[in-house]
Amino acid sequence: NAGVMQNPRHLVRRRGQEARLRCSPMKGHSHVYWYRQLPEEGLKFMVYLQKENIIDESGMPKERFSAEFPKEGPSILRIQQVVRGDSAAYFCASSPRPQGAFLDEQFFGPGTRLTVL
Amino acid sequence: RKEVEQDPGPFNVPEGATVAFNCTYSNSASQSFFWYRQDCRKEPKLLMSVYSSGNEDGRFTAQLNRASQYISLLIRDSKLSDSATYLCVVRPGGYSSASKIIFGSGTRLSIRP
Repeated sequence: NAGVMQNPRHLVRRRGQEARLRCSPMKGHSHVYWYRQLPEEGLKFMVYLQKENIIDESGMPKERFSAEFPKEGPSILRIQQVVRGDSAAYFCASSPRPQGAFLDEQFFGPGTRLTVL
Repeated sequence: RKEVEQDPGPFNVPEGATVAFNCTYSNSASQSFFWYRQDCRKEPKLLMSVYSSGNEDGRFTAQLNRASQYISLLIRDSKLSDSATYLCVVRPGGYSSASKIIFGSGTRLSIRP
């Protein structure tokens, strides 16, 4: 049973370009969470999605960021018109139950490291 | 004041030593506490949950002090492989929203031969 998969693992973009980060949850998991980790900081919650629904996006910046989790295919975190401050590690986690009721039910992917030049 | 605060370290200790770090939290309603381990450029992995009565898992002991609002992690007989960043994680309640999960910035631990 493959774990949570994220791709690409490393992504380099120039300012103003778009970044698309993909997350495939563990088999049987229909709940996905995205986190951002800035250098020397802890993870910050961004968004929680179920298939075809955004449940909680209270951690998402109001502009340029969007997320989706379609019926088929991976969850996508999209950042438009990237700026240098978007450079960070973006982690995805999945859980088999709503909201990862107990934190140890959230399984993390290896992350995507975004560098904005 | 940050909701969860940790000494960033680094803690640099010799192999075999005992090392302890604390994490303080500001929300007195917090009910669930965890320690995660994060290796350099890797994803966080759950190390252990922290229970009110304290709990032990091999060389690792976690304690919770609700009155003073801190949790601690003690590592005995440290190994080179214990070198990592240890993240303190706090959340209120069991079934609360994932958005209320607060990660500390982590404490870096380096074990030297």
